[in-house]
Amino acid sequence: QQQVKQSPQSLIVQKGGISIINCAYENTAFDYFPWYQQFPGKGPALLIAIRPDVSEKKEGRFTISFNKSAKQFSLHIMDSQPGDSATYFCAASPPRSSGTYKYIFGTGTRLKVLA
Amino acid sequence: KAGVTQTPRYLIKTRGQQVTLSCSPISGHRSVSWYQQTPGQGLQFLFEYFSETQRNKGNFPGRFSGRQFSNSRSEMNVSTLELGDSALYLCASSIRLAGGHEQFFGPGTRLTVL
Repeated sequence: QQQVKQSPQSLIVQKGGISIINCAYENTAFDYFPWYQQFPGKGPALLIAIRPDVSEKKEGRFTISFNKSAKQFSLHIMDSQPGDSATYFCAASPPRSSGTYKYIFGTGTRLKVLA
Repeated sequence: KAGVTQTPRYLIKTRGQQVTLSCSPISGHRSVSWYQQTPGQGLQFLFEYFSETQRNKGNFPGRFSGRQFSNSRSEMNVSTLELGDSALYLCASSIRLAGGHEQFFGPGTRLTVL
């Protein structure tokens, strides 16, 4: 019940294309869903996040779509650029009432955007 | 505002040795979490500290331990190192927000066990 399943494991997209990464969770108590971007040799950096009372959130070229009934959420990168080439992780967080800030991470998607 | 800092950035140890890693959270953040990142397992939660108390612990053996000081700085220790402990160890500091909380990661400490 604590798992977050992420797909695909790797993704190759042409410059200007749309990159889509999917995640699914089991625990309906999760109430915060961030996406992190990680470049080689760096720590993960928060990209965008969503709460389950919202179905979509957009920040620049990055959009999260959230389907509460299906327990799925996805990251869309519009107009993908070579500089977006990185590993992306989805995560889920227990509710504040749980008293913990522990995140459950997906296994990561390595994105390569071809110039 | 300075980000999360971790020291050292790189470490090479041999099997059987022990190691201590350090993390300084963002000023004002009282929660520090540690994660182990490996190519095969992704990001695995080690433990979380809040106000010097361990609030949560992942499924790691007792060789992995940690602590947090009154200034919120945290250390993690791994004793009797094994080859499989080679990984990137990430520290994250957290702050509660109106809509939830956010974790900010440091650059990590790359540990190599020979």
